Formats: sequence, structure tokens, C-alpha cells
Amino acid sequence: NFMLTQPHSVSESPGKTVTISCTRSSGSIASNYVQWYQQRPGSAPTTVIYEDNQRPSGVPDRFSGSIDSSSNSASLTISGLKTEDEADYYCQSYDSSIWVFGGGTKLTVL
Amino acid sequence: QLQLQESGPGLVKPSETLSLTCTVSGGSISSSSYYWGWIRQPPGKGLEWIGSIYYSGSTYYNPSLKSRVTISVDTSKNQFSLKLSSVTAADTAVYYCGAAGTWFDPWGQGTLVTVSS
Repeated sequence: NFMLTQPHSVSESPGKTVTISCTRSSGSIASNYVQWYQQRPGSAPTTVIYEDNQRPSGVPDRFSGSIDSSSNSASLTISGLKTEDEADYYCQSYDSSIWVFGGGTKLTVL
Repeated sequence: QLQLQESGPGLVKPSETLSLTCTVSGGSISSSSYYWGWIRQPPGKGLEWIGSIYYSGSTYYNPSLKSRVTISVDTSKNQFSLKLSSVTAADTAVYYCGAAGTWFDPWGQGTLVTVSS
């Protein structure tokens, strides 16, 4: 099966924009939807992006998702960073009844 | 509104079988809209999908855990369960249950299971 690789950590200042990447090891990133979860310490993950670029209700439009077939990767972009965005972020995809998570990225807003 | 809640022992001895149950409320586990799955997260580490079950009983497991995992569903109780055999300290984790289509939402709150003698 395939793996999803994320940077271990990223950091940026409040008000700025940050992008977290998620690279698929084999097969096309466009073949299966990519989701993004936010996980704060001590809490279960919550969905911030589903089906590559869709936001659940209640998620601010500062969060956006995209895919890039040329790099075989998906990206989560958070604009206008707030301190409350500091969390772990995980990408996830699905193929042939297998759910795959990326290793997670710790976002620090400082 | 669909809600899930994990339950089970918080401490399991090495070589024994870990058993957890997820109770679904606010919807029927027999719904064709969802798979029902288990995900775990070792302390300080990332998320790992363990396996999923469809209401029909069809099961799907992470290849790395397949030999030790059994997931079952009890439609009369609106529950599904996880059994992980021959556990070691490496199986210490927060275990989450979740409802899934191609992604998991919602999740249960998670339950910490420690493997120790």
C-alpha cells in the first residue's frame, strides 16, 4: 500500500500563512480524496478539511486544502494564523478499504 | 447527532488480549452510510488505523496488525468491538473508535490502554 509523509514540525508567527504538505509515496494523490485533521493536546482529532478541499461547517475559511499532482502531494494552508491554531495536523487518505494516516505535523504559532 | 464512546479495561498484561467496545448513539450501527473503525495513538506519536467493519460484517484490517486483530459488530446493542491479541508494551496507546466513510468523523473521546504487568 502507500504512505503519506508530512514534515515533523512547522512554525510561523501569528497573522502569517503556513502550509503543511502531505506527500503520497505511490499511486496518484488525485486518485483518492485527502482529509486533514486537527488534534489539540488531550483531545480527539477533528476534521478541518475533507475531500481534498472541503471545509466542514464551523471550520473557518482561513483553512484551505489543495492537491498538486506534479508533486503528488496535498497541502493544508492556514492563513491569518492564530495562537489557537497551534496543534498537531494529520493528513489521511483511503484506498481499497485501507485508511492511511500521515505521521503528523506539529504546528507552533509563536 | 452521531456520538461514539469507547469502553474497556485501562490496563492489560503482556501476552494477553486487549478488548474494547465502542457504543454508538444518535444513529444506527446498521446504517449503510458508515464503516466503523478503530484508530490508536501511542503516547507522543501519530495516528495508526487498526481496522474497520461494515454493518454487514465485512472487516478490513491494517496489514501490520492483521494477524492479531479481530473487529466485530453487535447490532442488537449498537456496538462494535476490538480484540487485539498477544499485546506488548508497544500496544500501549490511546484507542479511538470512529465512524468512517472515506474519512473518520465523528471520533470517540479515546481511551488509554496501558500494557504492563
